[in-house]
Amino acid sequence: NAGVTQTPKFQVLKTGQSMTLQCAQDMNHEYMSWYRQDPGMGLRLIHYSVGAGITDQGEVPNGYNVSRSTTEDFPLRLLSAAPSQTSVYFCASSYRLAGGLEQYFGPGTRLTVT
Amino acid sequence: AQTVTQSQPEMSVQEAETVTLSCTYDTSENNYYLFWYKQPPSRQMILVIRQEAYKQQNATENRFSVNFQKAAKSFSLKISDSQLGDTAMYFCAFTPGTASKLTFGTGTRLQVTL
Repeated sequence: NAGVTQTPKFQVLKTGQSMTLQCAQDMNHEYMSWYRQDPGMGLRLIHYSVGAGITDQGEVPNGYNVSRSTTEDFPLRLLSAAPSQTSVYFCASSYRLAGGLEQYFGPGTRLTVT
Repeated sequence: AQTVTQSQPEMSVQEAETVTLSCTYDTSENNYYLFWYKQPPSRQMILVIRQEAYKQQNATENRFSVNFQKAAKSFSLKISDSQLGDTAMYFCAFTPGTASKLTFGTGTRLQVTL
């Protein structure tokens, strides 16, 4: 199993550009989520999904869109990038929606918006 | 809403010594889970240890153990026989019992020295 994969690993965007961060898992996990990590602030939840076709907002959803058309994939879209979205983005998955289950994290994407 | 506080931004320990990282949290939930994640320079998020709130016994995983004080809402991590490979950022995290949404602290950067 590849686990949770994320592409790209690094990306530089100009303000106003759009892009999609890709996330895929091959563990048949129902629950997937996106976090952003900023210095001094830990990781914060952007959006999450409890299954194909079902998504919901996390703590910091503004400026980001998600969709979940398959169990395996959960892309994160930035429609109009802003410098405030410069961050490291992590995708995570777990077997199902339940508090105690281990979440598996991808390797992260470092995004810089200039 | 839940909050997780890590009051030690940086710590240092000599190889083979013991170090304790502090974490406090605030919640009105009765059923919840607490985690410690390790993030080495590779950026990968690695689960170190997990504690279920309804279990009084403190969790242990090899050299890692926790001191869970439910009434005080405290969840510290003890690393025994510290190794150079323990050098990393350590995050304390919380999930409610019925949800997979992790709330992270701001992290403690641990440096293990010779």
